[in-house]
Amino acid sequence: QPVLTQSSSASASLGSSVKLTCTLSSGHSKYVIAWHQQQPGQAPRFLMNLEVSGTYNKGSGVPDRFSGSSSGTDRYLTISNLQSEDEGDYYCETWDSHVVFGGGTKLTVL
Amino acid sequence: EVQLVQSGAEVKKPGDTVKISCKISGYTFSDYYMHWVQQAPGKGLEWMGLIDPKDGETIYAKKFQGRVTISADTSLNTAYMELSSLRSEDTAIYYCARSSSADWSLDLWGRGTLVTVSS
Repeated sequence: QPVLTQSSSASASLGSSVKLTCTLSSGHSKYVIAWHQQQPGQAPRFLMNLEVSGTYNKGSGVPDRFSGSSSGTDRYLTISNLQSEDEGDYYCETWDSHVVFGGGTKLTVL
Repeated sequence: EVQLVQSGAEVKKPGDTVKISCKISGYTFSDYYMHWVQQAPGKGLEWMGLIDPKDGETIYAKKFQGRVTISADTSLNTAYMELSSLRSEDTAIYYCARSSSADWSLDLWGRGTLVTVSS
């Protein structure tokens, strides 16, 4: 089973950009992942899925400020022009007969 | 509108069983898997299992195997998650979420159902 590793926290200033990382365990570099956003007190929301090639497909209504990229076992979520509503927890997800989540990154917008 | 509508909050005692529902609208129920995800207070997301409404086939996470039953009623466009032998550690929000069969990205989430287990 793949394992996903995320930093526990990140912070960036209003209007700046931030790049969150989700790292797949060794031997799972070709896996597709999904990124989910969870604003405080809300249900998770699907942002995009992201392939090893860096191709990503965003969910309905996800702003253009959100983009994805890949390098080896790393999958990135970049948020540009940070807004206050981007504050929350970000989870990556993958699957291989079972679904696996990363531990989540808590993003603070300064 | 494409959405998943979950049943309301529950309060249970240790040892009880809880059954939560998730009613879909706006898409064909049997075209997507339905997953269930647990989130304990202040913690991350934990996958519990899934069902293919087309044939009722289920897959469960090892942690919950033996205590969880996921079912679906295609006539009601509703999926269910039943968790038995409840303990205080099961106090959590439970989410249903759908995925396609080919790509298990959870692309649509319910709002969640809070289950509180307390004596």
